[in-house]
Amino acid sequence: DAGITQSPRHKVTETGTPVTLRCHQTENHRYMYWYRQDPGHGLRLIHYSYGVKDTDKGEVSDGYSVSRSKTEDFLLTLESATSSQTSVYFCAISDGGAGETQYFGPGTRLLVL
Amino acid sequence: QKEVEQNSGPLSVPEGAIASLNCTYSDRGSQSFFWYRQYSGKSPELIMFIYSNGDKEDGRFTAQLNKASQYVSLLIRDSQPSDSATYLCAVIGGGYNKLIFGAGTRLAVHP
Repeated sequence: DAGITQSPRHKVTETGTPVTLRCHQTENHRYMYWYRQDPGHGLRLIHYSYGVKDTDKGEVSDGYSVSRSKTEDFLLTLESATSSQTSVYFCAISDGGAGETQYFGPGTRLLVL
Repeated sequence: QKEVEQNSGPLSVPEGAIASLNCTYSDRGSQSFFWYRQYSGKSPELIMFIYSNGDKEDGRFTAQLNKASQYVSLLIRDSQPSDSATYLCAVIGGGYNKLIFGAGTRLAVHP
């Protein structure tokens, strides 16, 4: 998984609670991304980062926030989890080279009850 | 809204046959195209990328790009049961290397 870890790998939480997912990379890549994957929708971009403290919204950013205080860490926070945020969350990284390829972490399965 | 379309499948092929996976995209300005493979319960892994019209071969895999028709395909020769997975087509959509994914095509290779 190209030196990418995600934590936790599985989480069950209740509606209305805040949740933070962590993505950690050891590749020193500049770009980091958070996606969610749901049946029938493929992978959809939530937020992305193009450098430390530089982040922007993706296609499905409502209800999510992110932070990147260090090159290696990109945090995704569900401010008040809802059942519609039950999904598999993937982090990806890219250095902008080799065809701008993105490499994916192992994913986090989140269930919001 | 930039879109990437794939047939969801399943595409069923016998072992040893050629599997042909297709993808169309809406943004005529798209430059880079990617094929990822995803096994059930796993993360997507890159198979190959292409950005020039024509064919690009890597082992049993060949990507084909036709920008005029806004069409990209992936051929898998000598398909094996281990190739059974979902194949995701993706296109660079905008700055900062953001990817737009299709919903994926599920491939089943039967012995």
